[in-house]
Amino acid sequence: ETGVTQTPRHLVMGMTNKKSLKCEQHLGHNAMYWYKQSAKKPLELMFVYNFKEQTENNSVPSRFSPECPNSSHLFLHLHTLQPEDSALYLCASSQDDLRLLDARGDQPQHFGDGTRLSIL
Amino acid sequence: AQKVTQAQTEISVVEKEDVTLDCVYETRDTTYYLFWYKQPPSGELVFLIRRNSFDEQNEISGRYSWNFQKSTSSFNFTITASQVVDSAVYFCALSEGHGSSNTGKLIFGQGTTLQVKP
Repeated sequence: ETGVTQTPRHLVMGMTNKKSLKCEQHLGHNAMYWYKQSAKKPLELMFVYNFKEQTENNSVPSRFSPECPNSSHLFLHLHTLQPEDSALYLCASSQDDLRLLDARGDQPQHFGDGTRLSIL
Repeated sequence: AQKVTQAQTEISVVEKEDVTLDCVYETRDTTYYLFWYKQPPSGELVFLIRRNSFDEQNEISGRYSWNFQKSTSSFNFTITASQVVDSAVYFCALSEGHGSSNTGKLIFGQGTTLQVKP
């Protein structure tokens, strides 16, 4: 059992649907991340949040909309997705405090089990 | 530009064999961190080890060992006496930058799928 919980585990949706992925971390971490893992592609970072503020948007299309209401929760709102968006979406958290001038990004990231998303 | 290359896409060994997974990285920074993660079939990535760029000492943890060579920009991972439970996808990752230039971004390699047969 990991300290990062993702729901749902599986999601099938049509291109016109709106759905949300949820991530919750119970580790007291400061930073949370969304990754996309497609078949035959390396893990791609999508978004980084540090203390509820977005610090990285890796050129992600606007049909993916993240929300971080607090340091423990992270959402990914989905709307009008495309078939190529079918993938495993992984959430992670780490103890890094990226606000610090001497922030090192050296803390390991702890991952959830992921949500396997299929777009029809 | 930062980059992580895991040239071995798939490796298949028989139980009890030793196996080495290769990782080569590129970075312009002098301060950086290297990681290995394991992804079993269940999906979650499990953290295995972290190495910083100033520490070239090799590390052993049970059947796992890591060889960090700055001269060749490599951070290889060896499993000794492999077991069926070691079957998974293994990822090498790089985090670079320091202070305000660090956004927590991990650059992952493509992953190596290890299959250990009984």
